[in-house]
Amino acid sequence: LAKTTQPISMDSYEGQEVNITCSHNNIATNDYITWYQQFPSQGPRFIIQGYKTKVTNEVASLFIPADRKSSTLSLPRVSLSDTAVYYCLVRQRVNTDKLIFGTGTRLQVFP
Amino acid sequence: DTGVSQNPRHKITKRGQNVTFRCDPISEHNRLYWYRQTLGQGPEFLTYFQNEAQLEKSRLLSDRFSAERPKGSFSTLEIQRTEQGDSAMYLCASSLMGAPGEKLFFGSGTQLSVL
Repeated sequence: LAKTTQPISMDSYEGQEVNITCSHNNIATNDYITWYQQFPSQGPRFIIQGYKTKVTNEVASLFIPADRKSSTLSLPRVSLSDTAVYYCLVRQRVNTDKLIFGTGTRLQVFP
Repeated sequence: DTGVSQNPRHKITKRGQNVTFRCDPISEHNRLYWYRQTLGQGPEFLTYFQNEAQLEKSRLLSDRFSAERPKGSFSTLEIQRTEQGDSAMYLCASSLMGAPGEKLFFGSGTQLSVL
């Protein structure tokens, strides 16, 4: 049961803003939306989390519309080191409340 | 460093051997997850614990896999009679259930190669 849908891959150039959108049509009322970043041979790393509207931290911004059926991770002025896989997670609400990863979005940043 | 420690970092074994991995979570975290990841795929859920109780085990997981979390602290994942298809990165994550929005903190993983 697919919980989230993201683009498989995206390309960008250094200095550009990158927006990655995730669809989560069946999000539950009390689910948070969490984004993780993963580099090769490392575990995923928490980037940002939100419930509604907009959240910003030192790394990224997260935009969540009023219906919460999607969210957009915004990376300002990307650099080569932002090349990674980005995962959007909401809680799986089928039988249990375990956290399920999708296939993520592979971001490639070019010089 | 996320504070989650996994050992060993790499493990090479022959088919049919048993292997055991260890995960030390962040001390105050009450939830511990195990995931498996192969190249090009997202982490696949294996099992998770809340304190010492194992709440769920993936139906995709064979009986050769077992996990424990005695006393709700560290956890071990054992694979018996390893097969080549078990080759993967095994990831452990911990979290504090009860805080608004659950955030997972991952270790660096154990890379298993079955020859």
